[in-house]
Amino acid sequence: DIQMTQSPSSLSASVGDRVTITCQASQDISNYLNWYQQKPGKAPKLLIYDASNLETGVPSRFSGSGSGTDFTFTISSLQPEDIATYYCQQYDNPALTFGGGTKVEIK
Amino acid sequence: QVQLQESGPGLVKPSETLSLTCTVSGGSISSYYWSWIRQPAGKGLEWIGRIYTSGSTNYNPSLKSRVTMSVDTSKNQFSLKLSSVTAADTAVYYCATRAVAGTEDWYFDLWGRGTLVTVSS
Repeated sequence: DIQMTQSPSSLSASVGDRVTITCQASQDISNYLNWYQQKPGKAPKLLIYDASNLETGVPSRFSGSGSGTDFTFTISSLQPEDIATYYCQQYDNPALTFGGGTKVEIK
Repeated sequence: QVQLQESGPGLVKPSETLSLTCTVSGGSISSYYWSWIRQPAGKGLEWIGRIYTSGSTNYNPSLKSRVTMSVDTSKNQFSLKLSSVTAADTAVYYCATRAVAGTEDWYFDLWGRGTLVTVSS
């Protein structure tokens, strides 16, 4: 199985800060990497698909990059409504897996 | 606008079978891949498996021996059965899909609200 290592597990940043989350795959997954945002008590929301494509309706401050084994998710200017847990998800093999999550808080 | 709604018992006894149904409203269940994903309280997400409307399935290898999925196109529903449950199966269970017909994209842009299933005697 492909393992996804997501870091950090939590971070605290100020409004307006640039926030970066990384996800590393245990083997090459091409660009088959997606990012979700989950707020407490809610289902996850797709933000980025295929590593770098912004889902329709998602603010442009969210972005993704990477390919192969190393991926990055960025919030260019953190907003109060971005407080959530973020998950990466790979689907290079049928045993689709998620990263462990990054909880983003406001400093 | 297509919506998903999970339903089923909120409490299941250890060693018994967990059964959930996801009802698709506002659109057809046909020509989509339908997944189940779960999340224990305070923990991360785990994909359980998926079913296409033809009935073909893909299961998470770690759960494969206990999982059965089915689809009922006449009712616009698909279902999950997880056998021999233990406390470790206690979680919020979500149904989800990629809401573009005929695509085999392995990501999810449409989710149900989730249903909590507790395994306890």
